[in-house]
Amino acid sequence: EAAVTQSPRSKVAVTGGKVTLSCHQTNNHDYMYWYRQDTGHGLRLIHYSYVADSTEKGDIPDGYKASRPSQENFSLILELASLSQTAVYFCASSDPGLGQDTQYFGPGTRLLVL
Amino acid sequence: GEQVEQRPPHLSVPEGDSAVIICTYTDSATAYFYWYKQEPGAGLQLLMSVFSNVDRKEEQGLTVLLNKKDKQLSLNLTAAHPGDSAVYFCAVSWATGGNNKLTFGQGTVLSVIP
Repeated sequence: EAAVTQSPRSKVAVTGGKVTLSCHQTNNHDYMYWYRQDTGHGLRLIHYSYVADSTEKGDIPDGYKASRPSQENFSLILELASLSQTAVYFCASSDPGLGQDTQYFGPGTRLLVL
Repeated sequence: GEQVEQRPPHLSVPEGDSAVIICTYTDSATAYFYWYKQEPGAGLQLLMSVFSNVDRKEEQGLTVLLNKKDKQLSLNLTAAHPGDSAVYFCAVSWATGGNNKLTFGQGTVLSVIP
């Protein structure tokens, strides 16, 4: 079974503060993704990475940075957290080399920015 | 860009009845289609995936239909039970030269009434 873990599971941050969300996968997958989920919306892609030490912008990258220091770890960084970044954040991993690129999701991190 | 519209946003059905969720997509290119289930406080659990050369797939009380002519993907839960109550998302991954990102529908909150 694919395993993607996220930490913390929930966090309260202050406006203007720095927030780092961490994701770890033990699937040996090349691709990792960060999504945010807002009420009434599906998941939207923030950043993704297909190899260590490289990240790519997704559909809504503004206000976020990403870091992929190793194949297993992928972080999402909010340098200056804002109220609008209150959301649930999901990490996922996949291996398109298997032909069918199923993404496996972590349990999510609930972020509240005050 | 590619878009996915999902309906209905909310669905309530009595236990034992069927529930149907429909997604409409915009791009006709080769794609993979996914259905995910999200239970309260949890991540997304993959229910089923189909490639664009498949019209119908059935697994464990779930039926996925792909109507390429109308660009519609549907999920049919036959004989729904209270454990099926959750948020359901469709997602599409278009085969566009290595970009494996998923585009999600907005989600459907399914309530199965005992």
